Amino acid sequence: GNSVTQMEGPVTLSEEAFLTINCTYTATGYPSLFWYVQYPGEGLQLLLKATKADDKGSNKGFEATYRKETTSFHLEKGSVQVSDSAVYFCIAGSSNTGKLIFGQGTTLQVKP
Amino acid sequence: DVKVTQSSRYLVKRTGEKVFLECVQDMDHENMFWYRQDPGLGLRLIYFSYDVKMKEKGDIPEGYSVSREKKERFSLILESASTNQTSMYLCASRGPGPYNEQFFGPGTRLTVL
Repeated sequence: GNSVTQMEGPVTLSEEAFLTINCTYTATGYPSLFWYVQYPGEGLQLLLKATKADDKGSNKGFEATYRKETTSFHLEKGSVQVSDSAVYFCIAGSSNTGKLIFGQGTTLQVKP
Repeated sequence: DVKVTQSSRYLVKRTGEKVFLECVQDMDHENMFWYRQDPGLGLRLIYFSYDVKMKEKGDIPEGYSVSREKKERFSLILESASTNQTSMYLCASRGPGPYNEQFFGPGTRLTVL
């Protein structure tokens, strides 16, 4: 069945460190891929998205590239800040049903 | 900007009560969704609606019902609340087309005593 697998957290980094959160998916067809972020006590906010192979989504210094050959959509940021501390969700969107397939979420903690 | 609002941020109810969670979106979206989020289980789809008066069961519909009388409003109903329905409830909406992202509300943290 369809699924999204993210690296388990928590991920703890020092400020200005490089961030990678791995994400792989299993889905039929050509799903859209999203990274959402959830700050404490809030709902999910779209961080970036990619809708086809080799697309690169980017926002606020975060990037992710849709890799169909490896079915991956890894999230990267060159220099994290304390304010980036949150839970990050990798999500695949079915082009057939419009439903979302959620990863489990990865908690990022950035220390000063 | 799309705005999705939920009627309460925090709610405390007693076992057996009927509970209404309201969600309103302001972008004329056809599709609306209700999820619950639990530690270790992630987000799970309860119900969704793709048009007024239309609804479809998600992955965990048991113990819940929904109502969509107007396009902008999607209500989740717990007919008889139970303690295992203590959770964070998130509403979302999505516009037409296969690639559109979902927009989430801030969530309602429901505690059933």
